[in-house]
Amino acid sequence: KNQVEQSPQSLIILEGKNCTLQCNYTVSPFSNLRWYKQDTGRGPVSLTIMTFSENTKSNGRYTATLDADTKQSSLHITASQLSDSASYICVVLPRRFGNEKLTFGTGTRLTIIP
Amino acid sequence: GAGVSQTPSNKVTEKGKYVELRCDPISGHTALYWYRQSLGQGPEFLIYFQGTGAADDSGLPNDRFFAVRPEGSVSTLKIQRTERGDSAMYLCASSLRPRGTDTQYFGPGTRLTVL
Repeated sequence: KNQVEQSPQSLIILEGKNCTLQCNYTVSPFSNLRWYKQDTGRGPVSLTIMTFSENTKSNGRYTATLDADTKQSSLHITASQLSDSASYICVVLPRRFGNEKLTFGTGTRLTIIP
Repeated sequence: GAGVSQTPSNKVTEKGKYVELRCDPISGHTALYWYRQSLGQGPEFLIYFQGTGAADDSGLPNDRFFAVRPEGSVSTLKIQRTERGDSAMYLCASSLRPRGTDTQYFGPGTRLTVL
């Protein structure tokens, strides 16, 4: 069973609308949680990094939230743009490990239509 | 360079052949990671270098896979006797240090297709 599960698997929304992507994880204890954006055929690009003590982190129109008690994170995208079409991957790092132990989710495929 | 670069961007080979995939990390980054990503999946860890040495190669699927980083900068992932199941996107990433608080920067990947 994957230790990081994301939902929905795919999502289609109209340009300009908001959306929220979900991430549930079982990795415990954990050091930090990251959201990456991956365009088709490209490598992932970091959007946010939150430690276990942080509740929210913003990067422009992207806002990530974290509830360490329920082991859930969300990524909220406001005023979506066509360039937001990509896969969004949730990644969790167990505590006391370095980057080599990152656990990746399978991603949510987001499509923005005009 | 400004970011992590990988060559080639695409590689098509025949079953049984040998391939080499190259990664050029961000200058000064001591940690380098190789991942494999299948369609619709997240990246899967293969191997991690701290400097010149492979600090963790537990993700390599079998002994057909090998990676080197002889001078602590450029790394090469080598696959012998390729199989159709090796077809995937191979991603390289680097970070300033291997610490969990350091951001990993990914390259654009090499798309490997084994016919």
